[in-house]
Amino acid sequence: DQQVKQNSPSLSVQEGRISILNCDYTNSMFDYFLWYKKYPAEGPTFLISISSIKDKNEDGRFTVFLNKSAKHLSLHIVPSQPGDSAVYFCAARSTGTASKLTFGTGTRLQVTL
Amino acid sequence: DTGVSQDPRHKITKRGQNVTFRCDPISEHNRLYWYRQTLGQGPEFLTYFQNEAQLEKSRLLSDRFSAERPKGSFSTLEIQRTEQGDSAMYLCASSLLGVGYNEQFFGPGTRLTVL
Repeated sequence: DQQVKQNSPSLSVQEGRISILNCDYTNSMFDYFLWYKKYPAEGPTFLISISSIKDKNEDGRFTVFLNKSAKHLSLHIVPSQPGDSAVYFCAARSTGTASKLTFGTGTRLQVTL
Repeated sequence: DTGVSQDPRHKITKRGQNVTFRCDPISEHNRLYWYRQTLGQGPEFLTYFQNEAQLEKSRLLSDRFSAERPKGSFSTLEIQRTEQGDSAMYLCASSLLGVGYNEQFFGPGTRLTVL
């Protein structure tokens, strides 16, 4: 039962263009969402988050959008840089289990020159 | 930079052997989590501690798995009688309860290979 889904296993984008990574969830109890970036041989690194009371959060080149009615969130990276090439995980947390994160399967982003 | 550290980074063992991993969280963090990640999947929650108390365990954590955080600082995860299906990356994370939304910060992981 995959409660957090990232349906695109990979994405290739040219340097300078926008990268859009998508995430869908099924559990309506989720109230906080996070994006993590992971390089090979390293643990996931926290990138940006959003509470369910908001629909947008921005941090530099990174913006996360949340559409609660569609149970969908997306991460926009603009402009994309070669150093952004990594695996990106969407994660969610519910009010009832304020500790546990439920992760998607990840999207591998490749930013090409 | 005193982030989350894990030891060892890699462990190769034979089926049936016991293994123990250690996690040192960020020093002021009172919550510590263990996750497991297999190839092509995202991290899956195993268990978490608040200070020294183990507050939640996943059904993934079979009887062969045990975790401790004896003094509320470092934690150990032991797997007894390892099986080939235990091969995975074991990730530790920590967070500080009461600050913001308690983002979890991950260590580099311990990669376990069971032969």
